[in-house]
Amino acid sequence: QKEVEQNSGPLSVPEGAIASLNCTYSDRGSQSFFWYRQYSGKSPELIMSIYSNGDKEDGRFTAQLNKASQYVSLLIRDSQPSDSATYLCAVGPSGGYNKLIFGAGTRLAVHP
Amino acid sequence: ETGVTQTPRHLVMGMTNKKSLKCEQHLGHNAMYWYKQSAKKPLELMFVYSLEERVENNSVPSRFSPECPNSSHLFLHLHTLQPEDSALYLCASSRGGNEKLFFGSGTQLSVL
Repeated sequence: QKEVEQNSGPLSVPEGAIASLNCTYSDRGSQSFFWYRQYSGKSPELIMSIYSNGDKEDGRFTAQLNKASQYVSLLIRDSQPSDSATYLCAVGPSGGYNKLIFGAGTRLAVHP
Repeated sequence: ETGVTQTPRHLVMGMTNKKSLKCEQHLGHNAMYWYKQSAKKPLELMFVYSLEERVENNSVPSRFSPECPNSSHLFLHLHTLQPEDSALYLCASSRGGNEKLFFGSGTQLSVL
């Protein structure tokens, strides 16, 4: 069973701090990795994708991938209350197209 | 606006009703999906249509019936549902492979 694991949270950080969200996956052959943000009552929206080891930065967001450790993370710098949401990690498994596997999500709460 | 339009936004139905969810994508994508999202659980892939070929999750009950008349339209036909089927149903599309998903706004379904 291919799995994606996330800490459910809530992860509580003060405004302006760095929020660090983590995700581990079981399929060593996975090739594509995504972070989605989901506000309460809304659908998920893509915020980052990463395909190779290392860091990828986009504005206040940095995705980090370590395939050897089967670990992908999302850093949010200068966290804002508007970042408060559930963050979903999704992984594209090996040998199975069109079948992204999602974690259950980490709830982030940024307090003023 | 993600380019994926899903209707209705909310649906309340009795266990003997028949209803359909509709999804349309304007992104020129090759794959469309139905996902189920229940509280505290990972997104569950129900059905995938890629280039009009259907791939399904074998654990989905037969009371859920998908239809994909072309690469831009996707339906989910519902009949004799159970209260435990109450959830958020999300349509998504992608270019195919394990590429990023674009989600519709979802249908919040309540089965009484």
